[in-house]
Amino acid sequence: DQQVKQNSPSLSVQEGRISILNCDYTNSMFDYFLWYKKYPAEGPTFLISISSIKDKNEDGRFTVFLNKSAKHLSLHIVPSQPGDSAVYFCAASAAGNQFYFGTGTSLTVIP
Amino acid sequence: GAVVSQHPSRVICKSGTSVKIECRSLDFQATTMFWYRQFPKQSLMLMATSNEGSKATYEQGVEKDKFLINHASLTLSTLTVTSAHPEDSSFYICSAREQGLAGVKNIQYFGAGTRLSVL
Repeated sequence: DQQVKQNSPSLSVQEGRISILNCDYTNSMFDYFLWYKKYPAEGPTFLISISSIKDKNEDGRFTVFLNKSAKHLSLHIVPSQPGDSAVYFCAASAAGNQFYFGTGTSLTVIP
Repeated sequence: GAVVSQHPSRVICKSGTSVKIECRSLDFQATTMFWYRQFPKQSLMLMATSNEGSKATYEQGVEKDKFLINHASLTLSTLTVTSAHPEDSSFYICSAREQGLAGVKNIQYFGAGTRLSVL
């Protein structure tokens, strides 16, 4: 049973525009969420996190929004750059060690 | 940022042989490391949690006698795939959690992964 879902396997965005990546989860006990970025042939790299006590966290061009009632998480990248092209994974945990990962969304930023 | 080194990055072996994968935290101590497996077009699936100085905790459905995990020091965990078979071919990734930092205890730093191909 997939507890964290990324329903869009791919997304293409023009350079300079906003990229919005979405993530849904089913477990209401999840209280910590992460976004990872992965380039081909490399391991995932931590990007940004948010705890359930917040609904927004911003770090430079990256902002993560959390809607607990909808069990929905999104990552906004503004402005998008070609170097942002990668696979993005969201992950969630429930006050413990184990993270559950989504299947990833492949972002392509078109120059 | 924290760096995790995973070695080898790719291994091809014959069926029946054993393969050891190493995961090292290079600039921090990790009392807990995690081993994940990723099948094509699927999410990372946690296989086991490796705790320094104690036995690993395996997820349901993961054979502990097949996937041997050793976490002998605060900077090294190893995963040994014993008597590998073609169905073990996959992408294995380790991660490490930095010890003792308030506020960041839930962040995991990942290795680059190991592509295992069993012929």
